[in-house]
Amino acid sequence: DQQVKQNSPSLSVQEGRISILNCDYTNSMFDYFLWYKKYPAEGPTFLISISSIKDKNEDGRFTVFLNKSAKHLSLHIVPSQPGDSAVYFCAASLNRDDKIIFGKGTRLHILP
Amino acid sequence: EAQVTQNPRYLITVTGKKLTVTCSQNMNHEYMSWYRQDPGLGLRQIYYSMNVEVTDKGDVPEGYKVSRKEKRNFPLILESPSPNQTSLYFCASSFLNYESPLHFGNGTRLTVT
Repeated sequence: DQQVKQNSPSLSVQEGRISILNCDYTNSMFDYFLWYKKYPAEGPTFLISISSIKDKNEDGRFTVFLNKSAKHLSLHIVPSQPGDSAVYFCAASLNRDDKIIFGKGTRLHILP
Repeated sequence: EAQVTQNPRYLITVTGKKLTVTCSQNMNHEYMSWYRQDPGLGLRQIYYSMNVEVTDKGDVPEGYKVSRKEKRNFPLILESPSPNQTSLYFCASSFLNYESPLHFGNGTRLTVT
């Protein structure tokens, strides 16, 4: 049973517009959520995270929103840039000492 | 430079021939982990280690072994590789504090024929 779900395998967004990547989870006990970005031929790199005690965390063009009642989080990228084209993985953990569970990823294409 | 180094980057082997993929980190991280990435399945955890001599199974441990004799190294061992272990493998490490993100290596693409 998949505990972290990214239901959109791919997403295309015009350069300069907002990209919204979505992630749903099933385990209400998850208390820490992360987004990783992956380019071809490279390992994933950490992008942004959010604790379950918050509902928003912002870092430059990237903002993560957490809706605990809906068990949903989203990553907003504003404005989208060509270098944002990558695969984005949503991840969740019960506590930092436990294993991290990843979603299947969403491939984001930024169109010129 | 802080990094996670995996070797080799590419490996083609035959069924049953034992192989080891090495992973080393220079950040003094306690936590290390192995993942495999397959099309449509995302990143799945194979094994992880909270510290030296402490290892635990992840979601897909069958057919793999690991060891953590030193803090910096976490090799992945395939005693008898099979074609279903053809995949892209990533090693990762982090500190054991709440906000420490994983640092990933650049991956090892393994093909078992």
